[in-house]
Amino acid sequence: QKEVEQDPGPLSVPEGAIVSLNCTYSNSAFQYFMWYRQYSRKGPELLMYTYSSGNKEDGRFTAQVDKSSKYISLFIRDSQPSDSATYLCAMSADTGRRALTFGSGTRLQVQP
Amino acid sequence: EPEVTQTPSHQVTQMGQEVILRCVPISNHLYFYWYRQILGQKVEFLVSFYNNEISEKSEIFDDQFSVERPDGSNFTLKIRSTKLEDSAMYFCASSEDRLSGELFFGEGSRLTVL
Repeated sequence: QKEVEQDPGPLSVPEGAIVSLNCTYSNSAFQYFMWYRQYSRKGPELLMYTYSSGNKEDGRFTAQVDKSSKYISLFIRDSQPSDSATYLCAMSADTGRRALTFGSGTRLQVQP
Repeated sequence: EPEVTQTPSHQVTQMGQEVILRCVPISNHLYFYWYRQILGQKVEFLVSFYNNEISEKSEIFDDQFSVERPDGSNFTLKIRSTKLEDSAMYFCASSEDRLSGELFFGEGSRLTVL
């Protein structure tokens, strides 16, 4: 079983739709959970960061972590064509280790 | 807004040649990292660096790789003898706080080994 699994997509939605992206993981030691956005041939850009379980909201973005199910989600409300990118989940353990384990990324296309 | 900068943006080299990729992390950050992304694959951790020494490295980071912070601002990744399979985007990242999960990535250096 892969340590972090993420559906590669592509996911195509109309402008204004609510987008749901998710990752599952197998390592119960993961405590820090992040979502990055990556445009083609660019570096990952941090969108959301969550520690342990719970929800976090920032503008149109909401991150959810369910550690009991080993499942994390990113919701994008009122999606825009500029949201078209690859979304990467990433996580690390609560041991002071700074190595992030990334998912393979989900490619999102928001159609105008 | 402060950012991580990387040079060169693209380097083409012959197999067996040495390559140095350079990074300037965000100025008040203390932790530095290199990741790589082979085309079409996931971002993979290579190495983390703190207080002038490696704090963690992956199995990818073998003896052909080394990192250095030669002065107060630059952070470099050296590949001693490049192989075809080293072709990838190499991303530098930095973070302020060991306990924070917030890594900030540069734009990447694309390495093509011929």
